[in-house]
Amino acid sequence: GDKVKQSPSALSLQEGTNSALRCNFSIAATTVQWFLQNPRGSLMNLFYLVPGTKENGRLKSAFDSKESYSTLHIRDAQLEDSGTYFCAASYQGGRALIFGTGTTVSVSP
Amino acid sequence: GPKVLQIPSHQIIDMGQMVTLNCDPVSNHLYFYWYKQILGQQMEFLVNFYNGKVMEKSKLFKDQFSVERPDGSYFTLKIQPTALEDSAVYFCASSFRATGQLYFGEGSKLTVL
Repeated sequence: GDKVKQSPSALSLQEGTNSALRCNFSIAATTVQWFLQNPRGSLMNLFYLVPGTKENGRLKSAFDSKESYSTLHIRDAQLEDSGTYFCAASYQGGRALIFGTGTTVSVSP
Repeated sequence: GPKVLQIPSHQIIDMGQMVTLNCDPVSNHLYFYWYKQILGQQMEFLVNFYNGKVMEKSKLFKDQFSVERPDGSYFTLKIQPTALEDSAVYFCASSFRATGQLYFGEGSKLTVL
């Protein structure tokens, strides 16, 4: 089964609203990365996390390794936030970064 | 930020032909990766490479696939022969450390007819 599960699979937001995306891990994740894939397919780095919290502008992310989840909060959503958000985890004993299934976010005026 | 370059951006070939996808990783990075993404789906790990060797590969990394990085040149993914199910976008990535932050290229879209 999927080692990294993301929810929700899709999200529609109005400009100016807040929302949260979540990743649950069935593996012992050691680091987590969040990416935004834009409609052209390019992947943008958002966060690299060891257990803890980081904030960058309107985005904030947390990684709790004990409870095996990570969250990405979007504050004051803007049109340019639209795209597919992927979380990815590295895990003990492995070198590969395992991706989640993605959350497609659509922000409308 | 750091840039990973991929060539070509798009290639169309006939089933059974060979294809080589090229990646120019971030200059001081030591670990290199290939991922496969079928339209609208998640990124799937294929292989990672360090110090001239494959470190880990997934079930998707079939016998027809190979990777190499001859000294100082591109990190390449070769598929020989190609099959219809190889049609996808292939992303190259690199990192400085084994579990460090990954930087991705723009992808090479492969269409096998």
